[in-house]
Amino acid sequence: DGGITQSPKYLFRKEGQNVTLSCEQNLNHDAMYWYRQDPGQGLRLIYYSQIVNDFQKGDIAEGYSVSREKKESFPLTVTSAQKNPTAFYLCASSIGRGAWETQYFGPGTRLLVL
Amino acid sequence: AQSVTQLGSHVSVSEGALVLLRCNYSSSVPPYLFWYVQYPNQGLQLLLKYTSAATLVKGINGFEAEFKKSETSFHLTKPSAHMSDAAEYFCAVSDHPPPGTASKLTFGTGTRLQVTL
Repeated sequence: DGGITQSPKYLFRKEGQNVTLSCEQNLNHDAMYWYRQDPGQGLRLIYYSQIVNDFQKGDIAEGYSVSREKKESFPLTVTSAQKNPTAFYLCASSIGRGAWETQYFGPGTRLLVL
Repeated sequence: AQSVTQLGSHVSVSEGALVLLRCNYSSSVPPYLFWYVQYPNQGLQLLLKYTSAATLVKGINGFEAEFKKSETSFHLTKPSAHMSDAAEYFCAVSDHPPPGTASKLTFGTGTRLQVTL
């Protein structure tokens, strides 16, 4: 089945620790996105990537980093500089050709701070 | 810049009653608008989208939305609510990227729909 997988489902971070969230897609999509979801705030864009080896900051990129070495993969690292990392993180992908396109979402990773 | 406003963070309806979830948009250009649904602890699933082809858009699970330019609205409706409709619903608007490039979505803050017996 084609789709987007995110792992792990739950992730715990200790103070001062960097953690990496995985996102893989087999939809052959060029564009990939990372969103953060907090209660009552909807989804906010962290980073997005149009193609391999290229990515752009979204609205709340501070304290996060990404890489796009392969078309299928777009991992997100939550660094120790992110002071309030507890949230639900969603990865999405789209064909990447225009404003009318549907973004397809993964099941999400919930990050909790110990 | 584009934006959407969802009025009502929580809506409660009885099973069988009409569902109406409100979304108003702000855009300096003709918008592309989306409704997504999220079940607890899951990702988002597209319900329907407006891409200027028709003002009344039909989606999955019996939902539909009407684009009204004069009211800058894109409200989501369903004639008869079912218990399985209980979820959070998000309205979103796309930006207008250069041709052939990926777009970005701006989401509303969401409306949680509760369906009671």
